[in-house]
Amino acid sequence: SQTIHQWPATLVQPVGSPLSLECTVEGTSNPNLYWYRQAAGRGLQLLFYSVGIGQISSEVPQNLSASRPQDRQFILSSKKLLLSDSGFYLCAWRGQGVSYEQYFGPGTRLTVT
Amino acid sequence: GNSVTQMEGPVTLSEEAFLTINCTYTATGYPSLFWYVQYPGEGLQLLLKATKADDKGSNKGFEATYRKETTSFHLEKGSVQVSDSAVYFCAHLQRGATNKLIFGTGTLLAVQP
Repeated sequence: SQTIHQWPATLVQPVGSPLSLECTVEGTSNPNLYWYRQAAGRGLQLLFYSVGIGQISSEVPQNLSASRPQDRQFILSSKKLLLSDSGFYLCAWRGQGVSYEQYFGPGTRLTVT
Repeated sequence: GNSVTQMEGPVTLSEEAFLTINCTYTATGYPSLFWYVQYPGEGLQLLLKATKADDKGSNKGFEATYRKETTSFHLEKGSVQVSDSAVYFCAHLQRGATNKLIFGTGTLLAVQP
């Protein structure tokens, strides 16, 4: 069966510091991968998606970037965090079948102070 | 553009009460529809889905019927439990290069014993 991991689970970082969040998927190959952000009391906003290694598309201009160095690894980064980057970051994968549903990881709670 | 509208929360019910959470969508064509559930501090879990008009998705006592005439996908459960307390997200699939999910803002359900 497929599983998706995210780490760290929680993170507190000062403004201006760098960020690296990691997501890995097991039990599937060539998944579409997604990064979402959930701000407090709000819905989910798609940040990045990737259809393959090295292929990244950005949905919203951000202080963030994403990379996919391996087939089942997806990384969210920032060089300098802003207060507005605080939120709950969720990684998701979608299989190659026709159902199109996405499966989410446990999330990373980021607080920028 | 594509969007999903959910009823405002929080919804507070007593145990064994009937639940309805309304969801309507705006989209081109007839997209797949989903309900996700998020328990406190966790990622999103797929609760149920429907891929075409008049389909009924069901899982764990929850049901939702794809109504193309009213562009709705209301979530229902006949008898809620305290353990159903969570945030519920309605979503539809936006076909295209990303095949991304368009989420509503979520509805918080609180079930009291």
